Amino acid sequence: GAVVSQHPSRVICKSGTSVKIECRSLDFQATTMFWYRQFPKQSLMLMATSNEGSKATYEQGVEKDKFLINHASLTLSTLTVTSAHPEDSSFYICSARAGPGETEAFFGQGTRLTVV
Amino acid sequence: GQNIDQPTEMTATEGAIVQINCTYQTSGFNGLFWYQQHAGEAPTFLSYNVLDGLEEKGRFSSFLSRSKGYSYLLLKELQMKDSASYLCAVMDSNYQLIWGAGTKLIIKP
Repeated sequence: GAVVSQHPSRVICKSGTSVKIECRSLDFQATTMFWYRQFPKQSLMLMATSNEGSKATYEQGVEKDKFLINHASLTLSTLTVTSAHPEDSSFYICSARAGPGETEAFFGQGTRLTVV
Repeated sequence: GQNIDQPTEMTATEGAIVQINCTYQTSGFNGLFWYQQHAGEAPTFLSYNVLDGLEEKGRFSSFLSRSKGYSYLLLKELQMKDSASYLCAVMDSNYQLIWGAGTKLIIKP
């Protein structure tokens, strides 16, 4: 299967600072990338969908000014958690899809964010 | 609304067989996925069904009935490493994945 690399795998930051998470498709061009968050013992919750070169579409209840998503190229999307607070501590996962009609999405390894 | 239902937790014995059910109601259907997720890790792809019937892949099989909005994941010859959460997800008419809450499978010796 295709490879999606997500970095960093773990990050601890102080409250009020910003954290950037990168998601790269290594061997295919990802026209669409998805960002999820997952709280302990819960399912994945879609935060936003980003298409290369256009603004991300955020799910209801997700603050676009707090979770900045950039999908500037076909192989890279970034999620920046701005002014992080302890309640933002979670497992963030990206996935990438090669095209709108493609059925399979490939997942990054996930990022464990802890805000102290 | 869109809804995916699967049991919260199941327990099975090493070497046995377990079936994890998933029922769904979604706006459109472009396939159903099963993913395995170990604690603290990202999900890994197990299977994809878009036509009715059974898809077998080694110890794992997945079944789909579109008319009933129903799928199951069958795990045979259970091993301790199969202890994980199993996520059912349906791709809707917009090619978005709708996720179930996951079934935590506990394997006992």
